[in-house]
Amino acid sequence: GDSVTQMEGPVTLSEEAFLTINCTYTATGYPSLFWYVQYPGEGLQLLLKATKADDKGSNKGFEATYRKETTSFHLEKGSVQVSDSAVYFCALSDRDTGNQFYFGTGTSLTVIP
Amino acid sequence: EPEVTQTPSHQVTQMGQEVILRCVPISNHLYFYWYRQILGQKVEFLVSFYNNEISEKSEIFDDQFSVERPDGSNFTLKIRSTKLEDSAMYFCASRAQGAVYNEQFFGPGTRLTVL
Repeated sequence: GDSVTQMEGPVTLSEEAFLTINCTYTATGYPSLFWYVQYPGEGLQLLLKATKADDKGSNKGFEATYRKETTSFHLEKGSVQVSDSAVYFCALSDRDTGNQFYFGTGTSLTVIP
Repeated sequence: EPEVTQTPSHQVTQMGQEVILRCVPISNHLYFYWYRQILGQKVEFLVSFYNNEISEKSEIFDDQFSVERPDGSNFTLKIRSTKLEDSAMYFCASRAQGAVYNEQFFGPGTRLTVL
């Protein structure tokens, strides 16, 4: 079945450091891929998305490229800020059925000044 | 921008009591979902709902759970007899028909605490 494997945390970085959170997936179909962010005490917010191979999703300085050959969708940001401290979830949805999302376990990021 | 809303934001209940969690999906969306997130764990799919019936459910969604769209705007999740292990954050989501990315829009969640 479909699944997402996400780099375990927690991750602690200094402000302006480079961020990578690894995400790989297994899918029987051709999935759409997403990164969601959950700030403390809040719900899930869509951060970025990509629907086909080599698509790059980007938002708020974050980027992720849909790599079919490595079944990966790693999240990157060149220079993190304290306000980026949150839990990040990688997720996939089957593009044909779209009937449920499969989430990774989440990676907690803390950025220190 | 349209958004999914959920009430209450926090529900505290005694074990064995019934709870109803409420969601108002985005108005032109036709697919509705419930997920839950036990503290420190991943978000898990519970159920999907389309055309007034359940289209898919997970193993978690047993006979103690039910969903309903009572009035064309609300989408509810009922837990008949709550257990301690039902304590979690419950997220409602909705999706438009023909959504390009099958993107689901999530509500802010209801934190359920069972004592």
